[in-house]
Amino acid sequence: AQTVTQSQPEMSVQEAETVTLSCTYDTSESDYYLFWYKQPPSRQMILVIRQEAYKQQNATENRFSVNFQKAAKSFSLKISDSQLGDAAMYFCAYGTGGGADGLTFGKGTHLIIQP
Amino acid sequence: NAGVTQTPKFQVLKTGQSMTLQCAQDMNHEYMSWYRQDPGMGLRLIHYSVGAGITDQGEVPNGYNVSRSTTEDFPLRLLSAAPSQTSVYFCASSPLISGANVLTFGAGSRLTVL
Repeated sequence: AQTVTQSQPEMSVQEAETVTLSCTYDTSESDYYLFWYKQPPSRQMILVIRQEAYKQQNATENRFSVNFQKAAKSFSLKISDSQLGDAAMYFCAYGTGGGADGLTFGKGTHLIIQP
Repeated sequence: NAGVTQTPKFQVLKTGQSMTLQCAQDMNHEYMSWYRQDPGMGLRLIHYSVGAGITDQGEVPNGYNVSRSTTEDFPLRLLSAAPSQTSVYFCASSPLISGANVLTFGAGSRLTVL
């Protein structure tokens, strides 16, 4: 079975600084996808960024970027110019091609933004 | 454009009671699923469906039933609630095409079983 590990239960960063959230996963599949979801206090799950395993180029979305190391099975999220609105739980998730088996989530990292 | 709608948002049950969490989506997504979120556990898949009339079990299916009679609706039934089912429940849907996998989540339903 696939597993997703987020080793940082909580991280804290100063506003406007950069922070990196870690995620590692275990799989024997070659076709898969990785995601970062944000869950603010409203509880809504919001997609931050998605990475296809077959793409070597790291995905970016505005201030959010990933460092995808396929051989190391590592998928970290970098948030640049942190803003107060970035405060949330962040979940790393893994899914296989086709999507029928759903996503496997990590336990989450609570990100605190210090003003 | 409502997306994924879950009802109710909050519910308190007594042990042994039954209830149904409703989920509806208006995006014509083939794939629908239910997750539960417990403190320190992330989200875990309960049941999923790839189309009307087709359902299957996820990681934690015990104590839950589902059915899919239409593309739009995917209710989750608790037949005899237990305190261990106290959790936040999320319904999520996506198109079922190769590589899609981008789930759209509902706002969640917080269930407390006393």
